[in-house]
This record gives sequence, structure tokens and C-alpha cells, in this order.
Amino acid sequence: NAGVTQTPKFRVLKTGQSMTLLCAQDMNHEYMYWYRQDPGMGLRLIHYSVGEGTTAKGEVPDGYNVSRLKKQNFLLGLESAAPSQTSVYFCASSYYSNQPQHFGDGTRLSIL
Amino acid sequence: AQKVTQAQTEISVVEKEDVTLDCVYETRDTTYYLFWYKQPPSGELVFLIRRNSFDEQNEISGRYSWNFQKSTSSFNFTITASQVVDSAVYFCALRAQSGAGSYQLTFGKGTKLSVIP
Repeated sequence: NAGVTQTPKFRVLKTGQSMTLLCAQDMNHEYMYWYRQDPGMGLRLIHYSVGEGTTAKGEVPDGYNVSRLKKQNFLLGLESAAPSQTSVYFCASSYYSNQPQHFGDGTRLSIL
Repeated sequence: AQKVTQAQTEISVVEKEDVTLDCVYETRDTTYYLFWYKQPPSGELVFLIRRNSFDEQNEISGRYSWNFQKSTSSFNFTITASQVVDSAVYFCALRAQSGAGSYQLTFGKGTKLSVIP
């Protein structure tokens, strides 16, 4: 059982570069989420999706865009990377909104 | 607005000691869900428990137990006879039942537990 898979696991970018993080889940979950984890800050929600074709902003959406063209995939894009976006990014999914979220293993992103 | 406070940033205990991790939450909603997650040194997040605000029964799962007290807005986590494998960062999280906050898990900043052999 793969669960939630994040690609890539590590990435180093230069300021101004763009990239896309991919999240894939094989549990037929409706809800998907992107979080960032920074030291001493816990996890903060960036964007989320309540179903295929829908997205919404979370707590810290600035500088990120997302898309959910297929139910199993949720993409997080950085259009112009900034050092402040250096973080560990976690994707999660859940079947219902009040069900436990299942997390991927995280993507460690460094912006130089 | 929702808020989760984990006042203990780091805790160190000697193996076999009991340890309690505190979690205090704030919400205006009458229906909500509380969660605990474990993040071991390998980095993944592991779900431990979910508690509905209507269910104030304490829960025990092996060496783990949870004490939910609505009167004090607390959802504390106790590990009995701690083991080195319990070393991790533990997060408490809150989700409201409805409204704009219903899709968001509000996390505390985590408590890092170190169990010393």
C-alpha cells in the first residue's frame, strides 16, 4: 500500500526558479492538503482541495499555486522561489474532512 | 479563530519513566475534533488518535493514554513506561466541525520527546 507519495523527496533551487511538487494518493480520498513545516512553527496549511477540480487557500497561500486535475493527484507549484520558502512540505489526504489525515513522507526544499 | 498550545517545547525522560505531553486548545465551535500525531526522527507523520468533542471518555491504547477534559480545553497524552522508540516530536491538532475552519487542521508547535536509555 503506497498511501500518499510525494515527489521529489529533496530539491535545491535558486531564487527565482520555479518548480512543482507532486502528491499522489491511492486511497480514493476526496480531500487533499499541502502543509509546510518550519522549525518551531508546527505545520501550517498552504492550500487544500475538497475534490477533483477544486482548490482553496489555507493559512499561508502566498507564493504558491495548486491544481487538482485528477482526484488522486494534488500539485503544489512555486512560480518564483524565494529563500523564505525553504521548508519541509507535507502532502496529506483524507476521505472525509473530519477523518484523520494521512501524510506523505515530506519534501525537503531549499531555496538558495 | 482556533489555536492549539503545546507549552512544552522539549522534554527528556529516562527510559521506563512515565511522561505526559500537554495540549490546550481554543475554539468557538461546539463540535470539533482533536488529534495527536507522532513525527519520529525519520520525519514522517503518524496518526495516533482522533477524539470527537462529544466524547470525553479517556482512551488507552497499550502504553498510550489520552485525557480529554472539555472543562479545561485540554487533551493531554501520557506515555507509560517510556521507551527509546517513543523519542519523537508529538503534535496536537484541532479541527472544527463546520465553517471555514472545517477543512483545516490547526497544529500546535509540537513537543520534542527524548527518551534516554
